[in-house]
Amino acid sequence: DAKTTQPPSMDCAEGRAANLPCNHSTISGNEYVYWYRQIHSQGPQYIIHGLKNNETNEMASLIITEDRKSSTLILPHATLRDTAVYYCIVRVAHYGGATNKLIFGTGTLLAVQP
Amino acid sequence: EPEVTQTPSHQVTQMGQEVILRCVPISNHLYFYWYRQILGQKVEFLVSFYNNEISEKSEIFDDQFSVERPDGSNFTLKIRSTKLEDSAMYFCASSERAVQETQYFGPGTRLLVL
Repeated sequence: DAKTTQPPSMDCAEGRAANLPCNHSTISGNEYVYWYRQIHSQGPQYIIHGLKNNETNEMASLIITEDRKSSTLILPHATLRDTAVYYCIVRVAHYGGATNKLIFGTGTLLAVQP
Repeated sequence: EPEVTQTPSHQVTQMGQEVILRCVPISNHLYFYWYRQILGQKVEFLVSFYNNEISEKSEIFDDQFSVERPDGSNFTLKIRSTKLEDSAMYFCASSERAVQETQYFGPGTRLLVL
């Protein structure tokens, strides 16, 4: 089972920041937080990941609380094309050798409104 | 930007027939995965593959399923005798042999078993 809890749905106005929360209260010290999204029935798209520091890339920012029990994905200026299901996934980082399957939950359906 | 590709995009088959789904992972990646998503349900892990061997498989991945890397570029999923319940989107993913092993997904093959 997924180790994360996310709201089932959220709305966001186009051009505004979308803040998607994720609870992962049982996260372990060597487990990363990954975010993916899935638009319609397309393949999951990697967005960002982090361990304990906040991270930013061209797509989004990831804010992880100091206790690491929750995080927030921020899309700074949401567009209609950001409408998708967003998945927060906790996984162990393996240093090669062992596999590392992704366990998807039900995610958050973000609807960006015009 | 390198991406995972999958063929065909859609496949319709009769129950009991064999199907082969094809994937071309990102060229420098060494770990390969198959996931599936039944309509309206979660993305589920099927199998991971590294160094020409299955590294991990789920309980879904029974004797009817097999994977192969027949050459240096393709990665295939074979279903020997399809069932109605095999109808789903099948996603291939690949990851580099790196510390964090981010998985990148293909666009998927929609399989419909009649």
